[in-house]
Amino acid sequence: SQTIHQWPATLVQPVGSPLSLECTVEGTSNPNLYWYRQAAGRGLQLLFYSVGIGQISSEVPQNLSASRPQDRQFILSSKKLLLSDSGFYLCAWSAESSSNQPQHFGDGTRLSIL
Amino acid sequence: AQSVTQPDIHITVSEGASLELRCNYSYGATPYLFWYVQSPGQGLQLLLKYFSGDTLVQGIKGFEAEFKRSQSSFNLRKPSVHWSDAAEYFCADGGGSNYKLTFGKGTLLTVNP
Repeated sequence: SQTIHQWPATLVQPVGSPLSLECTVEGTSNPNLYWYRQAAGRGLQLLFYSVGIGQISSEVPQNLSASRPQDRQFILSSKKLLLSDSGFYLCAWSAESSSNQPQHFGDGTRLSIL
Repeated sequence: AQSVTQPDIHITVSEGASLELRCNYSYGATPYLFWYVQSPGQGLQLLLKYFSGDTLVQGIKGFEAEFKRSQSSFNLRKPSVHWSDAAEYFCADGGGSNYKLTFGKGTLLTVNP
């Protein structure tokens, strides 16, 4: 069966520090991968998605970037964190292609910026 | 642009009562609809999905949803709510996109003892 892992579960970082959040998927090949941010009371905001190694689509301009160095690895990064980067970050995967595939979510990373 | 509307931000029900959470989608062609549940501090868990066929779909944890094209709705129901159902519920539509889901803003469910 497929599993998705996100780490760390919680992170407290000072303003201006770098960020690296990692997500890996097991039990499937060539998944679509997604990064979301969830701010309190604002629902889910899609940040990035990837349909293959090295292929990243950005949904909103921001202080963050994403990379997919391996088929089942998705990394969310920042060079200098802002206070507004605080939130709950979720990684998700879906089977490749077609819109009738559900997305499956990791347990999330709670990021607090001080 | 495609949108998913969950009209109720917060719903409170008593344990044992029936539940209906509303969801309306805007995509005009064939929608691919999903309901997810999120407990505090956790990721989203898929409850059920609708692609085609029988308009009443069964999911996990005793939930069901009914697709009504004439009303552009996909409401989630449960006949008897348990305290453990307290969570936030999200409706999503994958129609019109090969990769992305459009999520509603969620409905927070509180269950009173």
